[in-house]
Amino acid sequence: SYVLTQAPSVSVAPGKTATISCGGDNIGTKNVHWYQQKPGQVPLLVIYYDAERPSGIPERFSGSNSGNMATLTISRVEAGDEADYYCQVWDSSDDPVVFGGGTKLTVL
Amino acid sequence: QVHLQESGPGLVKPSQTLALTCNVSGDSINSGSYYWTWIRQPAGKGLEWIGRMYSSGSTYYNPSLLSRVTISASLTKNQFSLKLTSVTAADTAVYYCARASTQFYYGYDVWGQGTTVTVSS
Repeated sequence: SYVLTQAPSVSVAPGKTATISCGGDNIGTKNVHWYQQKPGQVPLLVIYYDAERPSGIPERFSGSNSGNMATLTISRVEAGDEADYYCQVWDSSDDPVVFGGGTKLTVL
Repeated sequence: QVHLQESGPGLVKPSQTLALTCNVSGDSINSGSYYWTWIRQPAGKGLEWIGRMYSSGSTYYNPSLLSRVTISASLTKNQFSLKLTSVTAADTAVYYCARASTQFYYGYDVWGQGTTVTVSS
């Protein structure tokens, strides 16, 4: 089965840029979505289709996907960005959905 | 605006069947190109996809749960349901229902608030 690998944690100072990676075999050929989950809250879609932002998601959130790595980038990090971030792929109707293990973003 | 709401017992005994329902309001589960999905999350752990049901009624399950899981729909009640048989403590988790839509390339844009299910005698 397909596996997505995320680093367990990332730390960044306020105002800096956070980079959260999601590794997978040829992930660049798949559609990657990213979710933000704050403590006690429901996951929120922040990036879909590799790099698209749903309405209401700040422009500080961006995504990219190429080769064996997809990346979520959060610019000008704020304290409110502290959360767990999950990547997710789904190839086709014949494939299961796969989530990465999640990355905890800590704002120092 | 579409709203999802999970309901069901919060406590299930080991070896019994977990049964949850997701009530959908604001849209019909039979309309559009949507995948209605169950996802779970054990306390302090990551998200695990359980399975999905297309608006046509076809289903697809996580291979690791395939032998125990069934997702079905009630069109008259505009609900879809999850049944997980032979539960163990490992099935203790927050269970979410969610919707994947073509608008978001099948990203999950709408989630229920989640319901906590504990498996214990």
